[in-house]
Amino acid sequence: AQSVTQPDIHITVSEGASLELRCNYSYGATPYLFWYVQSPGQGLQLLLKYFSGDTLVQGIKGFEAEFKRSQSSFNLRKPSVHWSDAAEYFCAVGRPGGYQKVTFGTGTKLQVIP
Amino acid sequence: DGGITQSPKYLFRKEGQNVTLSCEQNLNHDAMYWYRQDPGQGLRLIYYSQIVNDFQKGDIAEGYSVSREKKESFPLTVTSAQKNPTAFYLCASSIRDRDQETQYFGPGTRLLVL
Repeated sequence: AQSVTQPDIHITVSEGASLELRCNYSYGATPYLFWYVQSPGQGLQLLLKYFSGDTLVQGIKGFEAEFKRSQSSFNLRKPSVHWSDAAEYFCAVGRPGGYQKVTFGTGTKLQVIP
Repeated sequence: DGGITQSPKYLFRKEGQNVTLSCEQNLNHDAMYWYRQDPGQGLRLIYYSQIVNDFQKGDIAEGYSVSREKKESFPLTVTSAQKNPTAFYLCASSIRDRDQETQYFGPGTRLLVL
């Protein structure tokens, strides 16, 4: 079974500063990896996904993530944070091979200060 | 305009009452999912369905029931057997390209107990 850990429950950054949200996974083979964002009281929006190929993945809203097999990580980054990025971010891991259960992390809440 | 709709946005349940949450998608996705979200616990899978007239239990199916009579619809009933139903409920559907599956989410329904 796969698992995913988001070690930071809450992160605060200044507007304009860079951002990195950590995600570590456990899975016996190459997983499928996702980052979602959730604004308060809303559903989850897909930011980006990794299935195979280039380990640096570009997503929407200026986000990117890098798959590092040696570190079992898929950290999310943004070079300059905007106040509208304040939200909760979820990393998720899935198994290749069809309609399979996706396991979600517990989320990292991002606060952006002026 | 394609997407996933959930209704109602807020739902109140009295003790001993069954309530049904609606989820509809017009994305022509085969698979649909129900998740429960509690603060600090991420998303937990309740039920999922890969095809019409078939569904499987997830990690926390007790006290819930579903049906999948149409491809577009996957309603969730929270029964009186669910003793702690207060949560945010998220419906998702997914598309599969070969063995690569991506889930997309609806806006959610918040269930509160009176």
